[in-house]
Amino acid sequence: QQQVKQSPQSLIVQKGGISIINCAYENTAFDYFPWYQQFPGKGPALLIAIRPDVSEKKEGRFTISFNKSAKQFSLHIMDSQPGDSATYFCAASLQRRALTFGSGTRLQVQP
Amino acid sequence: DAGVIQSPRHEVTEMGQEVTLRCKPISGHDYLFWYRQTMMRGLELLIYFNNNVPIDDSGMPEDRFSAKMPNASFSTLKIQPSEPRDSAVYFCASSLARAYNQPQHFGDGTRLSIL
Repeated sequence: QQQVKQSPQSLIVQKGGISIINCAYENTAFDYFPWYQQFPGKGPALLIAIRPDVSEKKEGRFTISFNKSAKQFSLHIMDSQPGDSATYFCAASLQRRALTFGSGTRLQVQP
Repeated sequence: DAGVIQSPRHEVTEMGQEVTLRCKPISGHDYLFWYRQTMMRGLELLIYFNNNVPIDDSGMPEDRFSAKMPNASFSTLKIQPSEPRDSAVYFCASSLARAYNQPQHFGDGTRLSIL
């Protein structure tokens, strides 16, 4: 599997602040880039996803920015809330094949 | 709607014993994936099926691991014999490929501890 590199490993943000998580990929054939959110004791759940022909996608407080030439994409969480405290995984896949996940970012939003 | 159902939620067993993990995908989904999550290796694919047929098992660690999907509503992941290094959380996920890039829906996992 091709690697997806994710940073930072952990992140502490104050309530109302912006959380930013970055990912970089190697395989230029990847055509689907989702972000998953995982709470303790639960499976990952899809948060938002983007295709490489789009540079940005926004859903509520969550935005993906995609830079195809740099092979990088990032998740921005605006107005971060304590309920957003979770582990976030970026991922990439080719067509309908399995996901290659980043290593995860543990986000803690302090009240 | 029922999501992906995995059983058992927790399993503790001794080294050398056979372990069987079970998964019921979302009805109508035609892709099923098995992932393993550890602190050291993160989330990694073990195997996936399309229409009950194994497509890619390159992530299966070794011959001690086997997976089957006898029908569209059931899959098993078996470890025999189990070893302490197999301790991890095992996730099953399913998706519908009818539309391009349908999301994978994950179960809540089986936490496996091998003593």
